[in-house]
Amino acid sequence: RKEVEQDPGPFNVPEGATVAFNCTYSNSASQSFFWYRQDCRKEPKLLMSVYSSGNEDGRFTAQLNRASQYISLLIRDSKLSDSATYLCAVFPKETSGSRLTFGEGTQLTVNP
Amino acid sequence: DTGVSQDPRHKITKRGQNVTFRCDPISEHNRLYWYRQTLGQGPEFLTYFQNEAQLEKSRLLSDRFSAERPKGSFSTLEIQRTEQGDSAMYLCASSPPFGQGITGELFFGEGSRLTVL
Repeated sequence: RKEVEQDPGPFNVPEGATVAFNCTYSNSASQSFFWYRQDCRKEPKLLMSVYSSGNEDGRFTAQLNRASQYISLLIRDSKLSDSATYLCAVFPKETSGSRLTFGEGTQLTVNP
Repeated sequence: DTGVSQDPRHKITKRGQNVTFRCDPISEHNRLYWYRQTLGQGPEFLTYFQNEAQLEKSRLLSDRFSAERPKGSFSTLEIQRTEQGDSAMYLCASSPPFGQGITGELFFGEGSRLTVL
């Protein structure tokens, strides 16, 4: 089983739609969770961290379910500029030797 | 620009040749990571340095791959006897010491794209 698995996608949605991505992780001891955004042929950039209580940043809402070991990202009122690949990432714990593990990414295309 | 810089941005080589990539992290970051990414996949971890110490190395990293960070600043990733399967984007990322910034936030360079013919 992969350490981090995401919805395979791709997702094609019209402007203004709401879209949700899910991601599961296998290491129950994982402590930190993130969504990164990657534009075509560019480097990944942090979109938002995911906290246990859930968190929101404008049109973006991230949720964490530790019991089921999954995280989600909800994008409301999607814009053309939201078109990108969304990567979930898991960080085991704050110790030396820790490294961020990424899922395969879910591609989103928002159409006019 | 004080972000992570990588060089070269593109490299085309013939199978069997050696290639070396360089990464200059953000100056105050003591942690440095190398990842590899192929089309349609997420970044795959290769290796990680904290200062000059290489603390973790992926099983993906065959003996043909070696990485160094001799003075805890810039890092190099060398691939010897390249194979066509090595064609990928090689991403370097850095992050500040634990306790500073957002844990798990990596700052990526623009990557070095390798094509092995």
